Amino acid sequence: SYELTQPPSVSVSPGQTARITCSGDALPKQYTSWYQQKAGQAPLLVIYRDSERPSGIPDRFSGSSSGTTVTLTITGVQAEDEADFYCQSADSSGTYVVFGGGTKLTVL
Amino acid sequence: EVQLVESGGGLVQPGRSLRLSCVASGFSFDDYAMHWVRQAPGKGLEWVSGINWKSDKVGYADSVKGRFTISRDNAQTSLYLQLNSLRVDDTALYFCVKDISLIVVTWGDSYFDYWGPGTLVTVSS
Repeated sequence: SYELTQPPSVSVSPGQTARITCSGDALPKQYTSWYQQKAGQAPLLVIYRDSERPSGIPDRFSGSSSGTTVTLTITGVQAEDEADFYCQSADSSGTYVVFGGGTKLTVL
Repeated sequence: EVQLVESGGGLVQPGRSLRLSCVASGFSFDDYAMHWVRQAPGKGLEWVSGINWKSDKVGYADSVKGRFTISRDNAQTSLYLQLNSLRVDDTALYFCVKDISLIVVTWGDSYFDYWGPGTLVTVSS
């Protein structure tokens, strides 16, 4: 079955830039979205179609794509950004929706 | 304001059935695909199933195919998930999720802009 691979954890100090990667063989063919999930809450869409930002999401959140890797970048990280982040895409034929395993962002 | 409210979760024995419901409001329900996504305790997100606006396109994760059935009633702005032959590893918080896309040709077109709070399904003897 198709898998998306994320690092289990990323740590940054406040004000620094956090980069969270997501890798998968079908990513050159399929768009990716990113979700932020804080403890005890439902996920929140922060990026869709690789780099589009929904209304209300701060512009410090951005997304990019290069080959089989997509990256969520958070510039000027704030304490409130601490959360689990998940990438989401589909297999090459679009038969299944797939989530990455999640990355825990810790703000030091 | 978009609202998604799930119900129907609970404690059930292995092999038994359960039906989850989700009532939607605040948007044109019959314009959008809808999905179920689950999260086992302390684990990541897993897509369970999706259905397009007119119910002629449905999809399932391999882990639930043949056991779960998704359906919707546009007149009642409701989404459903019938869970049969439940297993211990189906234990999870089940989220009702709205698709951001008006047109879904493949599930590669799907992204999730609104999530309900979830309903907890616990499968245990």
